[in-house]
Amino acid sequence: AQSVTQLDSQVPVFEEAPVELRCNYSSSVSVYLFWYVQYPNQGLQLLLKYLSGSTLVKGINGFEAEFNKSQTSFHLRKPSVHISDTAEYFCAVRMEGGSEKLVFGKGTKLTVNP
Amino acid sequence: EPEVTQTPSHQVTQMGQEVILRCVPISNHLYFYWYRQILGQKVEFLVSFYNNEISEKSEIFDDQFSVERPDGSNFTLKIRSTKLEDSAMYFCASLRDRHTEAFFGQGTRLTVV
Repeated sequence: AQSVTQLDSQVPVFEEAPVELRCNYSSSVSVYLFWYVQYPNQGLQLLLKYLSGSTLVKGINGFEAEFNKSQTSFHLRKPSVHISDTAEYFCAVRMEGGSEKLVFGKGTKLTVNP
Repeated sequence: EPEVTQTPSHQVTQMGQEVILRCVPISNHLYFYWYRQILGQKVEFLVSFYNNEISEKSEIFDDQFSVERPDGSNFTLKIRSTKLEDSAMYFCASLRDRHTEAFFGQGTRLTVV
C-alpha cells in the first residue's frame, strides 16, 4: 500500500521569501505524484503532476517540484512567495497501472506574512 | 475549461436522515470518485466507479453508503442514515484515463446535527 508523509503541518514564511514544502512517499511499485492546493473554503486544484519524463516539473503559479526516486521524495518549491499563496497544500500519489485512487498526505498549511 | 460541479455546496441534515450528494463529472471522463475530508484532517478515498460499477472502495464506505450514475452524466453519493461523524467535506473527482490527473469539484460540506 502507498503512503504519503508531509512532515511539516504548518510553514510560515514572509512574502518574497523562498519556500519548500516536503513530501515523501512509500510504495512498492511505481507511482504518479501530484500536488494539490486548497484555498480557504474551496476545492482541490491541481498545482502540478509527475507522470513520466523529466523529474523536474513546473506547475501553475510559479511552483515546481522535483521527483527523486532514490529518496522517494517530491518536494514542492517556489523561489518567491506571495500573500495569495496562503493555502493548504496536499501531496498525493497514485499507483502506476494499478488502483486509480489517490492517497493524500495530511497537508501543509502555508501562511505567507507581509 | 471543463470542470467537475457538485451540488449542493452546503447541506445540513438531521442525524438518521438520508442525504444525496450530486456531482457532474467532466463529460469525456471514464473514472469517477468520491473522497471526504473531515475538518482539519487529510483527504480520504471513499470509492471509485468505472464502467457502471464500483471498482474499489475503502473501509469507510460501508453499507450506509452507495453510489450511482443514473443517467450518464450525474454521479451521486447516498448516505442512507447519517451519523454525526459523517460531517465532512465531500469531494467528487473524475479522471479521463489512468495516465492523467484527477479533477476535483468544489466539494459539498455536509453537516449532520
